[in-house]
Amino acid sequence: DAMVIQNPRYQVTQFGKPVTLSCSQTLNHNVMYWYQQKSSQAPKLLFHYYDKDFNNEADTPDNFQSRRPNTSFCFLDIRSPGLGDAAMYLCATSKGTSGSFEQYFGPGTRLTVT
Amino acid sequence: AQKVTQAQTEISVVEKEDVTLDCVYETRDTTYYLFWYKQPPSGELVFLIRRNSFDEQNEISGRYSWNFQKSTSSFNFTITASQVVDSAVYFCALTAYNQGGKLIFGQGTELSVKP
Repeated sequence: DAMVIQNPRYQVTQFGKPVTLSCSQTLNHNVMYWYQQKSSQAPKLLFHYYDKDFNNEADTPDNFQSRRPNTSFCFLDIRSPGLGDAAMYLCATSKGTSGSFEQYFGPGTRLTVT
Repeated sequence: AQKVTQAQTEISVVEKEDVTLDCVYETRDTTYYLFWYKQPPSGELVFLIRRNSFDEQNEISGRYSWNFQKSTSSFNFTITASQVVDSAVYFCALTAYNQGGKLIFGQGTELSVKP
């Protein structure tokens, strides 16, 4: 089945130690999104790629970076994780960005910072 | 600015009861889209429905139904004859045509269906 895959499902990292989260898709969608969801809160968009075009949200900290080497894969890099970055990170894909396309979400990666 | 309000933080019902989850939105855009997503304990957000601002027709899908009313800026979700498997957090979300697909989520309503 076509899907959005996130690895790992659970990630533990130390304060200040760089960490990379992975997302892949078999839907061949043009757009890939990264959302951060803290405990008992709504998901919050960090950035998205439309093909190779990167779109950063204005309030996304510089500590968060992303790479999309090809259509199928997208990575979230946290350069120096702080305790406040502990959250669920959700990857989503869609055919386009007009809003007329639904976003398909992966299962998420739960990040713990010790 | 766009905003989505889900005033009900938690709802608890007994199986087979009907339950309505409220969603009120704010936007100045004339072309926008509303969504409902389900987030079970596993964490994955599951798409349930999308509605555009020009289509106020209500929709029914099995035990699920949605009532979209532009006059009150509401997009409410009703589950008929609830089941334990319906237990999850439900998010209402909004995006405008020119927002790059950015979803603005409400705070979510945690639904607990007890046997």
